[in-house]
Amino acid sequence: AQTIHQWPVAEIKAVGSPLSLGCTIKGKSSPNLYWYWQATGGTLQQLFYSITVGQVESVVQLNLSASRPKDDQFILSTEKLLLSHSGFYLCAWSLGGNYAEQFFGPGTRLTVL
Amino acid sequence: QQQVRQSPQSLTVWEGETAILNCSYENSAFDYFPWYQQFPGEGPALLIAIRSVSDKKEDGGFTIFFNKREKNLSLHIKDSQPGDSATYFCAASDDYGGSGNKLIFGTGTLLSVKP
Repeated sequence: AQTIHQWPVAEIKAVGSPLSLGCTIKGKSSPNLYWYWQATGGTLQQLFYSITVGQVESVVQLNLSASRPKDDQFILSTEKLLLSHSGFYLCAWSLGGNYAEQFFGPGTRLTVL
Repeated sequence: QQQVRQSPQSLTVWEGETAILNCSYENSAFDYFPWYQQFPGEGPALLIAIRSVSDKKEDGGFTIFFNKREKNLSLHIKDSQPGDSATYFCAASDDYGGSGNKLIFGTGTLLSVKP
């Protein structure tokens, strides 16, 4: 069975500090991977997606970047956090091809002070 | 511009009643519509989904009714239980089977089921 793990579970960071969030998928080879951001009480906004190692497409510019260093790993990062980066970050996966169902991880709660 | 709209913003029903959550969209090219259930502090879980070639989809106590002409759909939760209390998101995609599978989410409906 496939499992999706996100780390850390929660993070409290200062404005201007760097950030790195991670996501690992086990049990599926070559999945499509996605990063989403959700404001408290708000909707989900897709940030990035990747269909293969080394390839990442940006959907929304939020002074964040993403990388896919391995088939099962997706990293979200920034060198300088803003207050507006606070929220809930969710990683999701889907099969490639004609499978659109996306499955979400448990999320990382980020608070920027 | 909100491409996917949900109503009501919040809904309270009694245990055993059918909860009806509504969703409408603007882009006629949308062809895949999943519904997600999210509990506080957790990631959303895929509940049920429908493609635009169908007008109804059932799975357990959950039913989607889809009206392509009117560009709206609804999720019916039959025999609601307190454990169904959560936020429900409608989403849409016009990229089914494409390389990005971009999902656009609605603003959500907070469902509360009272015992």
